[in-house]
Amino acid sequence: QSVLTQPPSVSAAPGQKVTISCSGNTSNIGNDDVSWYQQLPGTAPKLLIYDNNKRPSGIPDRFSGSKSGTSATLVITGLQTGDEADYHCGTWDTSLSAWVFGGGTKLTVL
Amino acid sequence: QLQLQESGSGLVRPSQTLSLTCAVSGGSIRSSDYSWGWIRQPPGKGLEWIGNLYHSENTYYNPSLRSRVTISGDRSKNQFSLKLSSVTAADTAVYFCARGSGDFGDILDSWGQGTLVTVSS
Repeated sequence: QSVLTQPPSVSAAPGQKVTISCSGNTSNIGNDDVSWYQQLPGTAPKLLIYDNNKRPSGIPDRFSGSKSGTSATLVITGLQTGDEADYHCGTWDTSLSAWVFGGGTKLTVL
Repeated sequence: QLQLQESGSGLVRPSQTLSLTCAVSGGSIRSSDYSWGWIRQPPGKGLEWIGNLYHSENTYYNPSLRSRVTISGDRSKNQFSLKLSSVTAADTAVYFCARGSGDFGDILDSWGQGTLVTVSS
């Protein structure tokens, strides 16, 4: 059971938009910045979004993040088949004194 | 370009100690700008943070694993290591090493490819 809650799966057609949610509480998302990681099949996670809405160099602006209260959201527009991956959110939890992740969301591009 | 490479035993007997090393190239574990961490992923499951090494000598562990975990750095070899004692089948996972950036070293901006460790007799 992960501390942060993500939907197990989402799907959308190529070219469409998808939203992935990450729900927490006041000890984690409500208190610290959120990062998002993309994990392509059989590979290591890759930093996608940090500090809620910032993109590292090389990440296209089709990927965007936001945070409101105790929830965070990853939005991917102009979906491509190459976006099929697991997406993980993560943040610091002050109650647990630990960095925590969501269970991951599998994106399928139909 | 920063590269991280995990190495170590892929099979560990129950109750024994898991040992992994992460070799760093293209960057220095001495840098005060970054932390160096371990994260694991059980088969088919999500990510779990294990702990981080700061300034190649200060450590911070996941409280749920603290009693069994040791992370240390070797400046001469520019690598850092993970030891997890008294392992059980629940410790079977892919283990990743990663670099942490940001004010608290908690933005994992570069990852190793990961190594599968199986705990089995």
